Parts: sequence; C-alpha cells; structure tokens
Amino acid sequence: GAGVSQSPSNKVTEKGKDVELRCDPISGHTALYWYRQSLGQGLEFLIYFQGNSAPDKSGLPSDRFSAERTGGSVSTLTIQRTQQEDSAVYLCASSLAASGSDTQYFGPGTRLTVL
Amino acid sequence: EDQVTQSPEALRLQEGESSSLNCSYTVSGLRGLFWYRQDPGKGPEFLFTLYSAGEEKEKERLKATLTKKESFLHITAPKPEDSATYLCAVLKGEYGNKLVFGAGTILRVKS
Repeated sequence: GAGVSQSPSNKVTEKGKDVELRCDPISGHTALYWYRQSLGQGLEFLIYFQGNSAPDKSGLPSDRFSAERTGGSVSTLTIQRTQQEDSAVYLCASSLAASGSDTQYFGPGTRLTVL
Repeated sequence: EDQVTQSPEALRLQEGESSSLNCSYTVSGLRGLFWYRQDPGKGPEFLFTLYSAGEEKEKERLKATLTKKESFLHITAPKPEDSATYLCAVLKGEYGNKLVFGAGTILRVKS
C-alpha cells in the first residue's frame, strides 16, 4: 500500500512569511508524528497526534509552530513568521497505534528554506 | 539526561569488508530500540526493532543486536548499495511515543 506522503517536497520562503506543510499518513494508522531534521543535528520530535486525544506538543520550539489533524487523517504543520533558523527538513511519520511500541514509518520530508 | 550516542560518525568500507556500527544509550524505561536507514534526500526507512537485551534480528546483510546499554548493527560483506546514514532511536515510556534519535553513522562502501 501507499506510504506516508508529504507536500510540498521543497518550499522556499522569505523570512517573516507563514508556511503550511502537509502530511498524509498511511491508511489505518491512528498515530501521526512530526519531526525536524536540521543540518548538523539529529531528528528532533515536534508533536504527535493519537486518535481524538489531545496532541502532545511538548517538542514544538516556539509558539510560531502549530499543527492540526483533521478527521483523524491528514495533518498540517504551520510555521508563522518564519525565521532563518526554521530552515530544515520536516518529516512526518505514522504508526498503527501509539500504544505499545509500534514502528513509526516516515515520509520523504519537506525541505524548508527560509531566505 | 537521556542520551543516544552513535559511533563512529562516519565509516568507509571496501566492498566485502564486514564491520559494526554502535548505538549506546542511557535511558530509563526503554520500550524499544529502532534502527533506520536514511538515503540522501529521503526519509528514514525502517530496518529493525529490538525490545529486550539479548534480542537479535537479521535482514539480508544486516544483523542488529541489543544489550542493556547498547545496540550493534553488524554489516556482513557490504555492497555499495548499503551506503547510507544509519540512525538509531529509542522509544521511551516517559516521552510517550517519541523517538529519541542518535546523530547517525554515515556509511560509505566502495567497490
């Protein structure tokens, strides 16, 4: 079946603009995660959603970052008033459930460049 | 503080030259250790999950093992197509279901 998909694959924006990044999880997966991979740094957790539960936002670096998941499927990560330090690859992952130790499957990522 | 440390940072091998990558961790309440492979410009690709010390898993030329303090990814007779960044991550109960990643090992296999 289809894997996790993300769009756009690349996004170039100017400092101060808002951007939206989209993630389509694997069909049937109830848990969805966002991570960020910056040059010289490892993958860092941003936020995760599990079903209808309140999302765990503990990894969001500032209040300029927000995410929502509509209908328990597609998710959008929004970055307001982008800064140059926001430049990174944003990765989305999904898993069958957030209980136990289910494997997280990653999408191809969105490369964000803030000029 | 919980940490995941991978070594070496980079490894260059000749085709057929077997070696091992290391992932050491200092976390409490380990719920699982994951290995991923990441090719340039792509997302991480799942390889293995290990849950308890002594567990081993194999896939083609790769074999992952787990002790109470570290995990090894053994590569037997590697081929150039095994060149990639190998990422180790731990799933910790305290963090819910967040993966805590190491910095990765960049593997280059030359023919």
